[in-house]
Amino acid sequence: SSELTQDPAVSVALGQTVRITCQGDSLRSYYASWYQQKPGQAPVLVIYGKNNRPSGIPDRFSGSSSGNTASLTITGAQAEDEADYYCNSRDSSGNHLFGGGTKLTVL
Amino acid sequence: QVQLQESGPGLVKPSQTLSLTCTVSGGSISSGSYYWSWIRQPAGKGLEWIGRIYTSGSTNYNPSLKSRVTISVDTSKNQFSLKLSSVTAADTAVYYCARGAVTISQYYFDYWGQGTLVTVSS
Repeated sequence: SSELTQDPAVSVALGQTVRITCQGDSLRSYYASWYQQKPGQAPVLVIYGKNNRPSGIPDRFSGSSSGNTASLTITGAQAEDEADYYCNSRDSSGNHLFGGGTKLTVL
Repeated sequence: QVQLQESGPGLVKPSQTLSLTCTVSGGSISSGSYYWSWIRQPAGKGLEWIGRIYTSGSTNYNPSLKSRVTISVDTSKNQFSLKLSSVTAADTAVYYCARGAVTISQYYFDYWGQGTLVTVSS
């Protein structure tokens, strides 16, 4: 199906590691990209492709993929990482899909 | 540094056509392996991809919006535009324009505009 599924909310203790997942059939063929969005701001690309970080994104952000599941891992979560995270992929028709988003709370 | 800026009316009446333009600066809209997309976000909700255009004119649209959407590009002005017809209150959202980049099996939006709020109301 042409959908990407994310858990609505995840929490992590400060300094700990958290994994945010994204499931969908399109991920078997195309890599996911991941976006961080803070309130009132435009989304920011944090991970793309197999595991690529744009310039300026801390190396505590990493990505991985297996089968129909893509994951965004934050190793040593910081208070400033509290945000909504969205995965995105394209499908075989050339259309793009966004996951429903995961609200990350840093405790 | 590439920058994108959305512009257009912030208020549109029901049944009318929403029109937005995205102006690209810091680089030519025609250069590189890029495509140009519109994405929207209703208040308190997630991101929804609307569609994309290559500078060749080739387009893809979200199937749920396809009958109402037209995306066009004006390379001479370094702009691309969105038209969404027959709008209803459900089309009220922040609308973003974004640059899509392509490498082998990798598709991602690397630059985004700041977003513009469009409200559909009489």
